[in-house]
Amino acid sequence: VQLQESGPGLVRPSETLSVTCSVSGGSINGYYWSWIRQSPGKGLEWIGYIYSSGSTTYNPSLKSRASILIDISKNHFSLNVNSVTAADTAVYYCARVHYDVFSGGSYYIDYWGQGTLVTVS
Amino acid sequence: DIQLTQSPNSLSASVGDRVTITCRASQDVSRYLNWYKQRPGAAPQLIVFYTSTLQNGVPPRFSGSASGTDFTLTIASLQPEDFATYFCQQSYSTPYTFGQGTTLEI
Repeated sequence: VQLQESGPGLVRPSETLSVTCSVSGGSINGYYWSWIRQSPGKGLEWIGYIYSSGSTTYNPSLKSRASILIDISKNHFSLNVNSVTAADTAVYYCARVHYDVFSGGSYYIDYWGQGTLVTVS
Repeated sequence: DIQLTQSPNSLSASVGDRVTITCRASQDVSRYLNWYKQRPGAAPQLIVFYTSTLQNGVPPRFSGSASGTDFTLTIASLQPEDFATYFCQQSYSTPYTFGQGTTLEI
């Protein structure tokens, strides 16, 4: 399974950040797909995830500014963050969250994209 | 949110050394604690999940354990490719959270 992010690189303050993750080498169906960001000031921050059915869970820290969508037909999912500020500058990673019924029903991130730097300025 | 505190923040070691990194959770996370390794400029990669299960392809010199809310990652004999930053992450409850990272330096 390979994940590849694509994004704008630069976003103006107060505008919307949009990043897409293309999934190849496996089906998007039956998995959770997540966005995680990494900035020097805040380390790794989990943004949220979407199941292939479309159900979502978000980190409240983003104060409802984030939305994750999935397109099964195109095997990709996307992240929008609105009203961005400089604090949203980070490397954004897309990732697959694996639910392992054989390990106590644990969740872990088994595949990551290479990450895309988004600068808000 | 569940806070994860790693110690130490950084660690200097030599090839062949045995090292231990600790991750302390602010509340019970059962065994839902994972470890990732990140090399500079690269994405994190899973090395241990569910406290002590090695991801496929991870060499057996890595091991994970727990005592209550304290989790440890041990590398039995450091190899050159092990010098990286290591993060713990809990998946007991959302929002999932990560430790601040431990950088292992030569």
